[in-house]
Amino acid sequence: GDSVTQMEGPVTLSEEAFLTINCTYTATGYPSLFWYVQYPGEGLQLLLKATKADDKGSNKGFEATYRKETTSFHLEKGSVQVSDSAVYFCALMSSGGSNYKLTFGKGTLLTVNP
Amino acid sequence: GAGVSQSPRYKVAKRGQDVALRCDPISGHVSLFWYQQALGQGPEFLTYFQNEAQLDKSGLPSDRFFAERPEGSVSTLKIQRTQQEDSAVYLCASSLSGNTIYFGEGSWLTVV
Repeated sequence: GDSVTQMEGPVTLSEEAFLTINCTYTATGYPSLFWYVQYPGEGLQLLLKATKADDKGSNKGFEATYRKETTSFHLEKGSVQVSDSAVYFCALMSSGGSNYKLTFGKGTLLTVNP
Repeated sequence: GAGVSQSPRYKVAKRGQDVALRCDPISGHVSLFWYQQALGQGPEFLTYFQNEAQLDKSGLPSDRFFAERPEGSVSTLKIQRTQQEDSAVYLCASSLSGNTIYFGEGSWLTVV
């Protein structure tokens, strides 16, 4: 079945540091890939997405590129801020019969210190 | 409202008690989903509605869990005879079309 493996946290960085959170997936066909973010006390918010190979999703300075050859969708940001502190979830949506169901990774807690 | 609204936000239930969790999706959204998020884990799919039809309930963990959406808008997730392992955040989400899914803030259930 479909699965998502993401880098275990917690990740602690200083402000303006470079961020990478690794995400790899297993799925049949051509899934869509997502990063969701969960700020403290809030619900899940879609951060970015990519629907086909080599697509780059970007939002709020975050980027991730859909790499089919390595089945990866790593999240990057060049300079993190304290306000980026949150839990980040990588997820996929199958292209097959269950093309409405999101499969999530376990989440990575990011803490950014001033 | 502008987003997916869930109530109650927090619920403490005694073991064996029945609970009902409500979801108001974004107005006009055809698709509605329920997910369960255990502490320290990612959300896991429970069930999916398209309008009032429950098209997939494969993720419901037992027959104690029941979901409905009788008029194709508001949905209720009911858990009968709650057990400690039911303690989790229950997330509702909705979608108009395509693959952009919007989540609510969740209902935090603690079974004591």
